[in-house]
Amino acid sequence: QVTLRESGPALVKPTQTLTLTCTFSGFSLSDSGMCVNWIRQSPGKAPEWLARIDWDDTEHYSTSLKTRLTISKDTSKTRMVLTMTNMDPVDTATYYCARSPSNYDRTGYTQNAFDLWGPGTFVTVSS
Amino acid sequence: DIVMTQSPDSLAVSLGARATINCKSSRSVLYSPNNKNYLGWYQQKPGQPPKLLIHWASIRESGVPDRFSGSGSGTDFTLTINSLQAEDVAVYYCQQYYSVPLSFGGGTKVEIK
Repeated sequence: QVTLRESGPALVKPTQTLTLTCTFSGFSLSDSGMCVNWIRQSPGKAPEWLARIDWDDTEHYSTSLKTRLTISKDTSKTRMVLTMTNMDPVDTATYYCARSPSNYDRTGYTQNAFDLWGPGTFVTVSS
Repeated sequence: DIVMTQSPDSLAVSLGARATINCKSSRSVLYSPNNKNYLGWYQQKPGQPPKLLIHWASIRESGVPDRFSGSGSGTDFTLTINSLQAEDVAVYYCQQYYSVPLSFGGGTKVEIK
């Protein structure tokens, strides 16, 4: 069964660093073409893509948040970690991890949509 | 960065009627070498993560009812829900995966009239 699940603190204080873990099963970040993303959604707002790590260790970040974000995968290739520094109350949101497997065709690897999501973890930023 | 704009923000449709949602990208998400539009549609119900309905602009995910259909190319796309059912009440988002940073539209809330 293919699943993803986010974990981390429910509450962080302003200026602190948030560390979230995405644990997945049924696939691995060592699978060719596999990519896993972090996406957040503030209450009542549209989802906002944050970052992606690919099977080949390539990292991609949101333009507006890239100075605050770091994404990494552990040696098991079934966990991914996101750190976000200098947290602010506006960062209060549900944080999701989601899979986006690339397909290989005659043009090379082609990115795909987010086909599986974790249930999300809600993070409140407050003193 | 590619900006995705959806319209309308919300719509109320009678049961059994058609709902049409529009999505426009600030630049083309059609990749000419493979002739694919890097555009997905998601459905989100309260308390749940978004669920992928359609990818490559018009390809339904496995298990998605055929009353959901996607169309369009380049910068203009449409999600159509034929014969709206009560369980289709949700917020719908389009999303481009043509280039990073990836981006979503602002969402369209579909309700029953």
